[in-house]
Amino acid sequence: GAVVSQHPSWVICKSGTSVKIECRSLDFQATTMFWYRQFPKQSLMLMATSNEGSKATYEQGVEKDKFLINHASLTLSTLTVTSAHPEDSSFYICSARRGFPNEKLFFGSGTQLSVL
Amino acid sequence: DAKTTQPTSMDCAEGRAANLPCNHSTISGNEYVYWYRQIHSQGPQYIIHGLKNNETNEMASLIITEDRKSSTLILPHATLRDTAVYYCIVRRAGGTSYGKLTFGQGTILTVHP
Repeated sequence: GAVVSQHPSWVICKSGTSVKIECRSLDFQATTMFWYRQFPKQSLMLMATSNEGSKATYEQGVEKDKFLINHASLTLSTLTVTSAHPEDSSFYICSARRGFPNEKLFFGSGTQLSVL
Repeated sequence: DAKTTQPTSMDCAEGRAANLPCNHSTISGNEYVYWYRQIHSQGPQYIIHGLKNNETNEMASLIITEDRKSSTLILPHATLRDTAVYYCIVRRAGGTSYGKLTFGQGTILTVHP
């Protein structure tokens, strides 16, 4: 079946540094990818929609300058958490949309970010 | 997208069927019922989806009531590895916003030995 690879699985960084998370669709082209954030014991919250070749669409309340999204190819989207702070510590999950004729959504395995 | 209501938690004995209910009384005619699950510290996993007919695959069965206002996900023989949070999501299939899933709190299913 189709696979979405997310890297790294976990990362620890110092406050003020930037962290990049990659999301790759391994065997299909994904014109659209999605980024979610999940705090402990809470549900997933959509952060933004990543469109290949165009600017990402951010959900209300998500700072676009803090969470930089780049979707430069049909198989790769990246999320960069800039100037990370402890409150950015969370589980980040991406998903990729496989288009017609067998449209389906696939999720990555998630990235646990801990900011010290 | 229509809102869903699920019990906060459920328990099930290993080997028995797990029946997870979901209410979606405001579902529209073109909206599907999707089920995903999330095992601790992993990304969500697609289970099954349906429009109005009952559906079955290798993982589960989905029973949708005739008025489509509620549904039940059935795991026929639950195992310990089925312990997870189960999310019932109602939305249109396809379209430009396909993939923008609104996750509720889901049901925490705990399978006991």
